[in-house]
Amino acid sequence: GAGVSQSPSNKVTEKGKDVELRCDPISGHTALYWYRQSLGQGLEFLIYFQGNSAPDKSGLPSDRFSAERTGGSVSTLTIQRTQQEDSAVYLCASSFGATQETQYFGPGTRLLVL
Amino acid sequence: KQEVTQIPAALSVPEGENLVLNCSFTDSAIYNLQWFRQDPGKGLTSLLLIQSSQREQTSGRLNASLDKSSGRSTLYIAASQPGDSATYLCAVQTTGGSYIPTFGRGTSLIVHP
Repeated sequence: GAGVSQSPSNKVTEKGKDVELRCDPISGHTALYWYRQSLGQGLEFLIYFQGNSAPDKSGLPSDRFSAERTGGSVSTLTIQRTQQEDSAVYLCASSFGATQETQYFGPGTRLLVL
Repeated sequence: KQEVTQIPAALSVPEGENLVLNCSFTDSAIYNLQWFRQDPGKGLTSLLLIQSSQREQTSGRLNASLDKSSGRSTLYIAASQPGDSATYLCAVQTTGGSYIPTFGRGTSLIVHP
């Protein structure tokens, strides 16, 4: 595919369970971002990967959140022991470089924690 | 810390009107400013990217301007159509080591027939 893809598109889970969200960026894009968008809220930055550099994790809200990017391509965002306040749309974006480049967003994963 | 504000928060207009959406930012040391569109339940779609050295960008009925010194950008939509109904967000990448874009809260636009 030509765009950023995310899976699953929707996820319903019970409080306390772990979830994994996947992002496939556009091929060749070195920068990858995860954001969270809660109902009626703006985009909240979570984590940023750039090439082989150490990720910028400054936006992760707690130690229950983690992410990795394997082989500079696919990224997985993991939320452990989910809480109801984790319910949101999780968006992934990629760009060819770190700056001066358009960000391309995936369709998002809608997470509902019951 | 960069802050991005979008005014108005919501806008409802009849079809055919020319519109101006505003975005302001507090730190003028930016790499670029990007305008996005978000349809309900969807991800963001990039509309226009303005580099810090540029004054404006155009795509079809859309024109975005950038006045870096005053910390402002406007998105002009000509001859609005119902299909333009969406939320429009602007985002800036600030220089100084972090490549993390700062997003505004968006302007929710409804164009009614």
